[in-house]
Amino acid sequence: EAGVVQSPRYKIIEKKQPVAFWCNPISGHNTLYWYLQNLGQGPELLIRYENEEAVDDSQLPKDRFSAERLKGVDSTLKIQPAELGDSAVYLCASSPGSGVSYNEQFFGPGTRLTVL
Amino acid sequence: AQSVTQPDIHITVSEGASLELRCNYSYGATPYLFWYVQSPGQGLQLLLKYFSGDTLVQGIKGFEAEFKRSQSSFNLRKPSVHWSDAAEYFCAVGSTSGTYKYIFGTGTRLKVLA
Repeated sequence: EAGVVQSPRYKIIEKKQPVAFWCNPISGHNTLYWYLQNLGQGPELLIRYENEEAVDDSQLPKDRFSAERLKGVDSTLKIQPAELGDSAVYLCASSPGSGVSYNEQFFGPGTRLTVL
Repeated sequence: AQSVTQPDIHITVSEGASLELRCNYSYGATPYLFWYVQSPGQGLQLLLKYFSGDTLVQGIKGFEAEFKRSQSSFNLRKPSVHWSDAAEYFCAVGSTSGTYKYIFGTGTRLKVLA
């Protein structure tokens, strides 16, 4: 069974440029998460989808960040424009079922973003 | 408010020695508790989880964790560490009420000496 796929694995951009990350969750997983992981920190939730609906985007900085999961399968996270402080690892995870916090989350390898 | 604390930022042990990583949580009831491991350049992988019942939980790769309600702790243990266990370990807490909430600790980086 394929795991959570993320691309690109690494991205280097200059500040004020746009950037997009893509995630394909495990087949059949209804719930998809985007996390931000700063160096030396645990993952922090940016947005959670149940199917195509964003059910929790309270931590997403909406002035520059956007996300979509149009068909309830793969998802894209975008930053426009990027700032120096956005340098971090962006993790995508998925889980079966929806709306419950006892489900195991399966993580992708992440995208390491460096903003110069 | 729900929170999780991992007091040790770094831990170094010799290969073959025993290991204990600490995790303390704050929650109004007994939460769902998880331990994840993250190897360099990789995503997080679930080691074990506690929902209810037996307070000693067995996981993958020879790890176990014990839930202690009186201490609000969920410490991870392994009797004999292997060099391949060097990684970062995250404790996580999930809410058991109707509102979804899932919080990760700041992690403990494990170094294993040959």
